[in-house]
Amino acid sequence: KAGVTQTPRYLIKTRGQQVTLSCSPISGHRSVSWYQQTPGQGLQFLFEYFSETQRNKGNFPGRFSGRQFSNSRSEMNVSTLELGDSALYLCASGESAGTSGGGGQFFGPGTRLTVL
Amino acid sequence: TQLLEQSPQFLSIQEGENLTVYCNSSSVFSSLQWYRQEPGEGPVLLVTVVTGGEVKKLKRLTFQFGDARKDSSLHITAAQPGDTGLYLCAGLANTNAGKSTFGDGTTLTVKP
Repeated sequence: KAGVTQTPRYLIKTRGQQVTLSCSPISGHRSVSWYQQTPGQGLQFLFEYFSETQRNKGNFPGRFSGRQFSNSRSEMNVSTLELGDSALYLCASGESAGTSGGGGQFFGPGTRLTVL
Repeated sequence: TQLLEQSPQFLSIQEGENLTVYCNSSSVFSSLQWYRQEPGEGPVLLVTVVTGGEVKKLKRLTFQFGDARKDSSLHITAAQPGDTGLYLCAGLANTNAGKSTFGDGTTLTVKP
């Protein structure tokens, strides 16, 4: 099976702009989670979608949003970008945590977002 | 809020040495995962442990889940330069949700 793919891999934006990141999960996986990784904060959970519904949400402001399509592909959007949004954004897919042997997730390579 | 504390934060050893990385929490997790991440890439799942007291081996890597399912350890025997990377533990509180809590990671450097 093909792995998790994320596009674009690198992105440079300026403050105030908005950005949309895309994630295609492993075929058959219905759960897609998004994480933000920074040197200072580590990996922070943003949100999880399962069968097109947001199932969990982390402690991020409303500028961060996401959605999932019927084919399980997911997008996340960040509006009104701030300098502090510069990070590696990781997408992870899973079958359904309760049936996949304990919840291990499969990560994509990430999108490196730089906000100037 | 569930927290996972990893130690040590940084580890630099010579090839052939053994090492242990710890992951501790005051919370109970339904399962715990270990990942390895290389620069510029996403974390790669190494193992999932589910049962308290469970021990899993993956070649030179041994993973243990604490009896109370609050802590875990990763032991590497005869480390090699290819083991270099960021090791992350992640806990899942609810088996029906894809929301993992990650530790801050242990950066391992194995010198030839």
